[in-house]
Amino acid sequence: IQLTQSPSSLSASVGDRVTITCRASQGISSYLAWYQQKPGKAPKLLIYAASTLQSGVPSRFSGSGSGTDFTLTINSLQLEDFATYYCQQFNSYPHTFGQGTKVEIK
Amino acid sequence: QVQLVQSGTEVKKPGASVKVSCKASGYAFTSYGISWVRQAPGQGLEWMGWINAYNGDTEYAQKVQGRVTMTTDTSTTTAYMELRSLRSDDTAVYYCARFRRGNMDVWGQGTTVTVSS
Repeated sequence: IQLTQSPSSLSASVGDRVTITCRASQGISSYLAWYQQKPGKAPKLLIYAASTLQSGVPSRFSGSGSGTDFTLTINSLQLEDFATYYCQQFNSYPHTFGQGTKVEIK
Repeated sequence: QVQLVQSGTEVKKPGASVKVSCKASGYAFTSYGISWVRQAPGQGLEWMGWINAYNGDTEYAQKVQGRVTMTTDTSTTTAYMELRSLRSDDTAVYYCARFRRGNMDVWGQGTTVTVSS
């Protein structure tokens, strides 16, 4: 299963609402997770089961979708949110990742 | 607290093998699996496979199948990933992560493996 994220990169300002999409090449039900990665650091789980917020993750992050189309939304972007975001599917092996979306400061 | 601590940086020659360890603490080791993910310089994340720490069952990505072996030692709550016949394109940061029910919620700090002659 291939995951295609869009856009590959975006520029945004603090306070903006940001939306990242992840499209699967075939249906994956809700077996999708989102991660945030900062340079030189391990990825951090944000969302799993497409829309469940991981404990400790700020509520400005939300996820939606099922089947083939998924969305990660960041409401009111904060300085610490500038990072690269990845989706990952767990419907079938291999547990593929999207190519990533880099969120940069405008 | 729950954590995964990985072994240190490795430099290997082409054709050699590397074995990366991932020491788990703070949780019931056999109640979760351990996934392995790598990231080549400047590139995205690549899933390599996972091992069920309860029964040792494994699933590997086709790209590394035949060259990789994932194991666990429940007595020391440590997971291992061995990669053989190393090539230059195996140069990457290797991560272990705790896995269960469709997510990887705790990650190790990463181990840099450089393959160079």
